[in-house]
Amino acid sequence: KNEVEQSPQNLTAQEGEFITINCSYSVGISALHWLQQHPGGGIVSLFMLSSGKKKHGRLIATINIQEKHSSLHITASHPRDSAVYICAVAGTASKLTFGTGTRLQVTL
Amino acid sequence: GAVVSQHPSRVICKSGTSVKIECRSLDFQATTMFWYRQFPKQSLMLMATSNEGSKATYEQGVEKDKFLINHASLTLSTLTVTSAHPEDSSFYICSARDRRTGEGYGYTFGSGTRLTVV
Repeated sequence: KNEVEQSPQNLTAQEGEFITINCSYSVGISALHWLQQHPGGGIVSLFMLSSGKKKHGRLIATINIQEKHSSLHITASHPRDSAVYICAVAGTASKLTFGTGTRLQVTL
Repeated sequence: GAVVSQHPSRVICKSGTSVKIECRSLDFQATTMFWYRQFPKQSLMLMATSNEGSKATYEQGVEKDKFLINHASLTLSTLTVTSAHPEDSSFYICSARDRRTGEGYGYTFGSGTRLTVV
């Protein structure tokens, strides 16, 4: 069993839909990261969370430390949101452990 | 915000040659740099961790003599793939820890290097 599990693996949505991507982890963490990887490969850090909720534009990330679970929400999705979204957790050694990613395709 | 510049973005080389990939932190000091490789449709795999001024720590199964990492300054880390073979073809990406005011340490990623060995 992977230490970081993401669901769904693939997601297709129509423009405007509300999207949720889930991440569960089984280890103790110092922080959880949500990353976005575009088709060209570049990775952008979206959020770093250690508790609660953060919002940036149409993106919202939440974390429940007790349940070892985090969600990434995208409101009013747009085709430019199409990318792979990766959940990663940072342990005490500062290394990141990555989920397998969620491939999101938003269509018109 | 923190930026890591990675070059080249794409390189094609002949089998047996060496390729150097650079990652520079542009507006912060990267005391720790992580090097990853990623195969198509797979997750990032950590290859090694480098700290400025000391030897890199390699993950199990990663050949340190094949993947040479140098972190000679607080703003520059390099990965050299020596005697490259077609099986080394992959996407290589670096990541630096950056201090985020009031939030602890985040990670800034380079844009990646797609290596093709022919």
